[in-house]
Amino acid sequence: QVQLVQSGGGMKKPGASMKVSCEASGYTFTSYAISWVRQAPGQGLEWMGWISTSTSNTIYAQRFQGRVAMTADASTNTAYMELRSLRSDDTAVYYCARQVVLVATQEPYYIDFWGQGALVTVSS
Amino acid sequence: DFVMTQSPDSLALSLGERATISCKSSRNLLYSLNKKNFLAWYQQKPGQPPKLLIYWASTRDSGVPARFSGSGSGTDFTLTISNLQAEDVAVYYCQQYFATPWTFGQGTKVEIK
Repeated sequence: QVQLVQSGGGMKKPGASMKVSCEASGYTFTSYAISWVRQAPGQGLEWMGWISTSTSNTIYAQRFQGRVAMTADASTNTAYMELRSLRSDDTAVYYCARQVVLVATQEPYYIDFWGQGALVTVSS
Repeated sequence: DFVMTQSPDSLALSLGERATISCKSSRNLLYSLNKKNFLAWYQQKPGQPPKLLIYWASTRDSGVPARFSGSGSGTDFTLTISNLQAEDVAVYYCQQYFATPWTFGQGTKVEIK
């Protein structure tokens, strides 16, 4: 069955960096993209960016440009999301999510499966 | 950016009733070339990640009960839960995937009265 197992959450100091990993199993890793979505406590869902697992092309939401980096390692079926210069308002659950793509063009469509989330708390 | 606005923010209904959630997009989500609406609906229960219910505005994902249905086109969409069950208590989100940044509605909380 499809699984996205996340790790890397925890407590971080303001100004530090965080890196969350997302290990996929149960499907062909490069046949789907990975999006990263976060959810602040008690709040809604915010899309952060997307990576094609076959080409490693990325698109980041403008508000995270320059602070975020998404990578994917097809040899280990693992995607990574690094966020730098953390602030208190980066406190959130960070989800990786599998995204359906049109294989021929890598055009991304809807998210069809989510990881369990990784809680990152930014506090001094 | 595409702004997605859901209404109501919350609703409380009795078991067996019909829940109707509206989602309005600030821009058209219907792609003329393939005639598909780039809209999805997700269900999120407390302490869990979201779960896909509906994609292409009206296609139910595998295993989703038939009491969940999606409709609408262009800028106005609806998620309907007929015959509300106790296990449907959750927050429901719409999301457009027509153009980045992909954006979500603010969520609608469904409770049992």
